[in-house]
Amino acid sequence: SQTIHQWPATLVQPVGSPLSLECTVEGTSNPNLYWYRQAAGRGLQLLFYSVGIGQISSEVPQNLSASRPQDRQFILSSKKLLLSDSGFYLCAWSVGLAGGSEQYFGPGTRLTVT
Amino acid sequence: AQTVTQSQPEMSVQEAETVTLSCTYDTSENNYYLFWYKQPPSRQMILVIRQEAYKQQNATENRFSVNFQKAAKSFSLKISDSQLGDTAMYFCAFMKRPGANSKLTFGKGITLSVRP
Repeated sequence: SQTIHQWPATLVQPVGSPLSLECTVEGTSNPNLYWYRQAAGRGLQLLFYSVGIGQISSEVPQNLSASRPQDRQFILSSKKLLLSDSGFYLCAWSVGLAGGSEQYFGPGTRLTVT
Repeated sequence: AQTVTQSQPEMSVQEAETVTLSCTYDTSENNYYLFWYKQPPSRQMILVIRQEAYKQQNATENRFSVNFQKAAKSFSLKISDSQLGDTAMYFCAFMKRPGANSKLTFGKGITLSVRP
């Protein structure tokens, strides 16, 4: 069966510091991968998605970037965090190509920028 | 652009009773998917149910069922025999078509509390 991991689970970082959040998927090949952010009490906003290694599409211009160095690894980064980057970050995957429509989510990372 | 509206921020239901969560959406697409996701206090997003727009029959998953009204662009979730474990935030979501670049557009969510 497929599983999706995210780490760290919780992170507290000062303003201006760098960020690296990691997401990995097991049990599937060539998944589509997604990064979402959830602000307090709000729905989810799609930040980035990827259909393959090195292929990244950005939905919202911002202080963040994403990379996909391996088929089942998706990384969310920032060079200098802002207070507004605080939130709950969720990684998700779906079946590649025309396989299916469901997206399956990881456990998330709670980021607090101080 | 697609929008998803969940106008009720909070609801409460007695254990074992039935509750309906409302959702409306706006789109010019004819082929799309609709979803309900559950986010319990652990904050893990869990897929509850999905509906294909081209299917007239309402989707059902055990105690969860939907009332899909395509013309009215309405997609409500009915939870029967509510259980304490149903306490969570529930998000309605829209996807234009299945595929890699078909993003989920979420509503703001509704907090459901099941009372013992």
